[in-house]
Amino acid sequence: QTVVTQEPSFSVSPGGTVTLTCGLTSASVSTSFYPSWYQQTPGQPPRTLVYSTNRRFSGVPDRFSGSILGNKAALTITGAQADDESDYYCVLYMGGGIWVFGGGTKVTVL
Amino acid sequence: QVQLVESGGGVVQPGGSLRLSCSASGFSLIRSSMHWVRQAPGKGLEWVALIASDGSRISYADSVKGRFTISRDTSKNELYLRMNSLTAEDTAVYFCASDSGNYKFDSWGQGILVTVSS
Repeated sequence: QTVVTQEPSFSVSPGGTVTLTCGLTSASVSTSFYPSWYQQTPGQPPRTLVYSTNRRFSGVPDRFSGSILGNKAALTITGAQADDESDYYCVLYMGGGIWVFGGGTKVTVL
Repeated sequence: QVQLVESGGGVVQPGGSLRLSCSASGFSLIRSSMHWVRQAPGKGLEWVALIASDGSRISYADSVKGRFTISRDTSKNELYLRMNSLTAEDTAVYFCASDSGNYKFDSWGQGILVTVSS
């Protein structure tokens, strides 16, 4: 069974930088998994941030950036703001039309 | 303006069935793959099913394979999810999401709650 791993939680100071990661228990994440990232606040649908590893979705501020760091996909928030406090999810394309979400990371800005 | 609106949710008994609908506007389903994604109360997102833009590929998460069926009516620009043999573990908010290319979920509906309970 494929498991996509994310840190359960992270705390960042206003104006600070935080890097969230998205890994696989059974392999290294590469661009071939087309990692994408989504932000979600309670009671709202997800909001698309980054897709195909490092392409920012329309309207997303450039303080959000995606990359591959080592064997994981990564989402970096630079200059964190109060309204960045949310849950963040990555999803990987496993091939064959199958997608798997990570468990999500709760980011607190304080 | 792209809009996705889910309907058909509600309370259903264990073992029962339900059909969710997702009405799309602002784009055509024949130009976009479509997904169902769900979120159990207090839990994370779980991908459920995909139907490709040309209808040539349909795929499911293992957790729903054999019980759920994704389909669409391109004349109505609607997406569906038929759910059979429901259990408490299927209780969740179900989102439909579009995928216009480049392997991403680009637009999301507001979600619809399905509760499986006796």
